[in-house]
Amino acid sequence: EAQVTQNPRYLITVTGKKLTVTCSQNMNHEYMSWYRQDPGLGLRQIYYSMNVEVTDKGDVPEGYKVSRKEKRNFPLILESPSPNQTSLYFCASTPTGFSEQFFGPGTRLTVL
Amino acid sequence: QKEVEQNSGPLSVPEGAIASLNCTYSDRGSQSFFWYRQYSGKSPELIMFIYSNGDKEDGRFTAQLNKASQYVSLLIRDSQPSDSATYLCAARSGGRLGGTSYGKLTFGQGTILTVHP
Repeated sequence: EAQVTQNPRYLITVTGKKLTVTCSQNMNHEYMSWYRQDPGLGLRQIYYSMNVEVTDKGDVPEGYKVSRKEKRNFPLILESPSPNQTSLYFCASTPTGFSEQFFGPGTRLTVL
Repeated sequence: QKEVEQNSGPLSVPEGAIASLNCTYSDRGSQSFFWYRQYSGKSPELIMFIYSNGDKEDGRFTAQLNKASQYVSLLIRDSQPSDSATYLCAARSGGRLGGTSYGKLTFGQGTILTVHP
């Protein structure tokens, strides 16, 4: 089944404890993105990758890192999480820059 | 100014009515537009996309695009309670060919629609 998977789905952590949210797609898509969703703000892009080893900042990159060492994986790294990073995070992939985005199921992160 | 702005909600319509969702965008370089539906706690799912001026119909859904007015809308005919969700408008930029912003998708804040029996 073609899909985007994210892990973990739920995470509660404490300020400053490094964490990684994994994202994987099995559709051989070139483009992958990370978004965060907060009430009243819609989806905001954190980082974007158009191919292996090619990434760029989105609208809200502060406090996040990403890497794209393999085409299928695009992990999101929070080196030192803070409470303002409490949010619902979505990973998405798309075959080209102009096609439909396929979203993962989301990761609900709470930083205490 | 927000790049993609949706009409403020929540929007409530009776079952069987037409629901009208509106969206404006500021980037004239935007090339295509997407409407996603998102149920509470779930990921967004694509309803339809449009890139040419005019109307595009798919079942009970009609998307309308007016590039001169920088306006996109979604009409839902014969609204059903199962249509109750948050609707997200998104605009995809043209960007610079080869640049990493090429094809960037920018979302509006969403409009909550409730269809009551």
